[in-house]
Amino acid sequence: AQSVTQPDIHITVSEGASLELRCNYSYGATPYLFWYVQSPGQGLQLLLKYFSGDTLVQGIKGFEAEFKRSQSSFNLRKPSVHWSDAAEYFCAVGESSIIQGAQKLVFGQGTRLTINP
Amino acid sequence: EAQVTQNPRYLITVTGKKLTVTCSQNMNHEYMSWYRQDPGLGLRQIYYSMNVEVTDKGDVPEGYKVSRKEKRNFPLILESPSPNQTSLYFCASSLRVNTEAFFGQGTRLTVV
Repeated sequence: AQSVTQPDIHITVSEGASLELRCNYSYGATPYLFWYVQSPGQGLQLLLKYFSGDTLVQGIKGFEAEFKRSQSSFNLRKPSVHWSDAAEYFCAVGESSIIQGAQKLVFGQGTRLTINP
Repeated sequence: EAQVTQNPRYLITVTGKKLTVTCSQNMNHEYMSWYRQDPGLGLRQIYYSMNVEVTDKGDVPEGYKVSRKEKRNFPLILESPSPNQTSLYFCASSLRVNTEAFFGQGTRLTVV
């Protein structure tokens, strides 16, 4: 079964600074990868996704992520954070098992982002 | 407006009293799922459904039931809630499992 690891539970950056949130996955085949953001008291919203093709994907709100197969990583980046980016961020991998007929989405533990003014 | 609607948003109940959390989507999505969110554990899948009358267990199905009689609805049933089911629950739907998932606003459940 696949797994997703977000090594950083909590990150604090200053407004205007660059940001990188780490995500590592374990999956045998080419994964379907996602980043979601959860603002306080809200559900999750999709930031971006990777299925195939260009390994650098652009998302909403100025975020981007790069898929690196050799490192099993899908790190999220933003060149300059805004106070409104304070939220919890989740990396997820989609699994589709033809043999078992199972389809599921597995989430990492989440990274809470705090922005200092 | 495309949305996933969960009810109730907040619920406090007592151990053993059956409850149902409803989930409805208006996007004609095939895939629906339930997650629970606990601090430090991220979101863990409870049950999912690939279509009407097709449901299967996720990673933490114990103590929960689901049904999918109509495409739009996917209720979560706790037959005999226990305090360890106190959590934040999310329903989600997507066209297929590997497409964008749309999440409800969440249901915060407390079992005392």
